[in-house]
Amino acid sequence: QVQLVESGGGVVQPGGSLRLSCAASGFTFSDYGMHWVRQAPGKGLEWVAFIRYDEINKYYADSVKGRFTISRDNSKNTLYLQMNSLRAEDTAVYYCAKDRLRSAWAFDIWGQGTMVTVSS
Amino acid sequence: QSALTQPASVSGSPGQSITISCTGTSSDVGGYNYVSWYQQHPGKAPKLMIYDVSNRPSGVSNRFSGSKSGNTASLTISGLQAEDEADYYCSSYTSSSTAVFGGGTQLTVL
Repeated sequence: QVQLVESGGGVVQPGGSLRLSCAASGFTFSDYGMHWVRQAPGKGLEWVAFIRYDEINKYYADSVKGRFTISRDNSKNTLYLQMNSLRAEDTAVYYCAKDRLRSAWAFDIWGQGTMVTVSS
Repeated sequence: QSALTQPASVSGSPGQSITISCTGTSSDVGGYNYVSWYQQHPGKAPKLMIYDVSNRPSGVSNRFSGSKSGNTASLTISGLQAEDEADYYCSSYTSSSTAVFGGGTQLTVL
């Protein structure tokens, strides 16, 4: 079945780095745009980043621009989020989400999420 | 990238209808038909309920419907059921080629 499985979360000190992965299965990964969305504890959803199916375009929320990098490996059906210069306010559950089409900006499949905690 | 505005909470009795509003600007909700709605139960990942303002994905109950007027989108749930109790979020594409979510609305079924 269609599935997204995130990994790579954990505890990191402020200023540190972490790379999240999202393994996709059950659909043709290379045909769809992909997003990262996060949710701080007890808070709402925050869109983080988008990558086009062919990697030609990448877009970021202002809150992470210049610190986070979204990428994908279509040969491995895997999405990534490289997070640098992490701050306490980046603490959240990070979800990868499949775009409904190539860039329809609706998220029709979500992973279970991976927790990132930024703390000293 | 200011969050879209949603009421913090709404409530209704089983069988009733409720509507959740989502207000943005002409740079997001008002400017595009890329408005979607998500249902999230505690501890679970969000689920797509409505896309492109008013379209339902396969498998979503027809009790859920969406609409838009100007800069405000709305989600209506008719025939409320206990299982509808959850948090609901709207989302919109923006003129900056980003997405923005609403702050979320907690639905209580009385």
